[in-house]
Amino acid sequence: EPEVTQTPSHQVTQMGQEVILRCVPISNHLYFYWYRQILGQKVEFLVSFYNNEISEKSEIFDDQFSVERPDGSNFTLKIRSTKLEDSAMYFCSTSGNYEQYFGPGTRLTVT
Amino acid sequence: ELKVEQNPLFLSMQEGKNYTIYCNYSTTSDRLYWYRQDPGKSLESLFVLLSNGAVKQEGRLMASLDTKARLSTLHITAAVHDLSATYFCAVDLYGNKLVFGAGTILRVKS
Repeated sequence: EPEVTQTPSHQVTQMGQEVILRCVPISNHLYFYWYRQILGQKVEFLVSFYNNEISEKSEIFDDQFSVERPDGSNFTLKIRSTKLEDSAMYFCSTSGNYEQYFGPGTRLTVT
Repeated sequence: ELKVEQNPLFLSMQEGKNYTIYCNYSTTSDRLYWYRQDPGKSLESLFVLLSNGAVKQEGRLMASLDTKARLSTLHITAAVHDLSATYFCAVDLYGNKLVFGAGTILRVKS
């Protein structure tokens, strides 16, 4: 069964550093998403991406965040200058056939 | 702004008992998802409900959707310990994003 993969599984970084989270979507899917989940809380939408551009973004997705599809297969989320409150699980998701498939997540810890 | 409310937020059940988790949402949508999440893990898709009156069942779980009432239910029959997890409903907003409920933490006690 096709699956979404994400790397790394866990990233520890210092406040102010840049991080890049990577996702490999399911190959024939066209819609990609990033969500985050702060520990013990609900899953929150960050951004959706279609046809190489952002289709919608949330209030959380400010100028410190960016997404791109650098090579036609990977889908990345960059946080330019991390803050303590960016510590969370970040999930990549793709959609196809009315399903949304979630990757295993990257746990980001900002110290 | 779409709001999705789940209740209860915490549910402690005895094995063998039945219970229902409710998911209300505030804006018209005809696509609703139920996910299961184990601690520290990703979201496992349980059900996709695509139309009014949709009912799906898998094992001890059954989900239904009433788009007119903007309500979905997840019914648990004869709970077993393995069902202990957090359950989220999520409403699809025009295919652009999912809006999640707060989640229901389910603990099944033997």
